[in-house]
Amino acid sequence: KAGVTQTPRYLIKTRGQQVTLSCSPISGHRSVSWYQQTPGQGLQFLFEYFSETQRNKGNFPGRFSGRQFSNSRSEMNVSTLELGDSALYLCASSLDQGRGYTFGSGTRLTVV
Amino acid sequence: EDKVVQSPLSLVVHEGDTVTLNCSYEVTNFRSLLWYKQEKKAPTFLFMLTSSGIEKKSGRLSSILDKKELFSILNITATQTGDSAIYLCAAPMEYGNKLVFGAGTILRVKS
Repeated sequence: KAGVTQTPRYLIKTRGQQVTLSCSPISGHRSVSWYQQTPGQGLQFLFEYFSETQRNKGNFPGRFSGRQFSNSRSEMNVSTLELGDSALYLCASSLDQGRGYTFGSGTRLTVV
Repeated sequence: EDKVVQSPLSLVVHEGDTVTLNCSYEVTNFRSLLWYKQEKKAPTFLFMLTSSGIEKKSGRLSSILDKKELFSILNITATQTGDSAIYLCAAPMEYGNKLVFGAGTILRVKS
């Protein structure tokens, strides 16, 4: 079966712009979580969506937002981009709590 | 605050060596501990551990959990250059699917 699909794979934006990243989970998975990975901070949790509702949120500013659609696909949006937002953004899908987590290949965002 | 701590942060070994990676955790209402291998982008799942003292094995990799001492180890025997990667340890939080990750161990296997 198809894995977790993230698009786009790479993105270059300038400061002040906004960006939208997409994640399509494994078929049947209703939970989608987003993570930011940087060399200095490692993998940090952004938020989790389950059945179109945000279930958990990490400690990121309000510029980071997300949503989930009825087909479980999820998007995250970052507004007013800053240089420090340059990172690998990963999403993970899961059936439900503690049932295993599969990661996508990520979107590499570079802010210049 | 829930946290996961990995050691060492980096390790260089020669092919054929055996390595042990460590992961300690402090998690409210512990459910499980996970190990991932990350080579380029997507972390790939290695093990999920829920019970203390039961070793999980997959080829040359094995892992065990100690719930009393709150740690886990990942062993890799007869290392190969293809084992070079970042090894991540994570634990899900009390509710939902939020994972807290350790900083990772960067393993480099030299030929």
